[in-house]
Amino acid sequence: SQQGEEDPQALSIQEGENATMNCSYKTSINNLQWYRQNSGRGLVHLILIRSNEREKHSGRLRVTLDTSKKSSSLLITASRAADTASYFCATDEGIQGAQKLVFGQGTRLTINP
Amino acid sequence: DTAVSQTPKYLVTQMGNDKSIKCEQNLGHDTMYWYKQDSKKFLKIMFSYNNKELIINETVPNRFSPKSPDKAHLNLHINSLELGDSAVYFCASSQEVLAGGPASTDTQYFGPGTRLTVL
Repeated sequence: SQQGEEDPQALSIQEGENATMNCSYKTSINNLQWYRQNSGRGLVHLILIRSNEREKHSGRLRVTLDTSKKSSSLLITASRAADTASYFCATDEGIQGAQKLVFGQGTRLTINP
Repeated sequence: DTAVSQTPKYLVTQMGNDKSIKCEQNLGHDTMYWYKQDSKKFLKIMFSYNNKELIINETVPNRFSPKSPDKAHLNLHINSLELGDSAVYFCASSQEVLAGGPASTDTQYFGPGTRLTVL
């Protein structure tokens, strides 16, 4: 079953602006991860936040996690044209030996030059 | 030096045929996965193998049979292809043998995908 709901489904902003994407999930998790998918390509891991963390930064990325609300947000600051892609959150519900990533439906981000 | 590779990249075939997709990773990872991404970009896990052992088997028709000859390879064979099988199939791998537990901080590395079109 689909775990994550992402909001918005599509986002179009001007280069240099900040982009915020939200993700909600339903069950308890080990961690939550964000991935990027460029058109016609595979997914690339961006950042992971553990269930006992509230905020994490990586370069221009900032991720927050609120386990009480079962939600996460991804902020991309000072956006660039190369950030144009689909962004997916994924929750890890895995068992020993393998992750079981359950993905949201993604946010399509378009950065206009 | 591609980390996770899949062949073929595109596969067009007739309904009822049997086809295979191959996946190889040169990262030395213990765990490999198959995902299906439908036309709405919804990505769903199908299978996972850890060191050649099946760990995750989601509700997938038994026409789909994964095979892992060694921990660097996880192939997907599909029998009697149906129109609804049309999708992009992604292979992925991850390192941590203990992946999946509460302490897991592992991430997955994805292949470029195989676009399967069933006519």
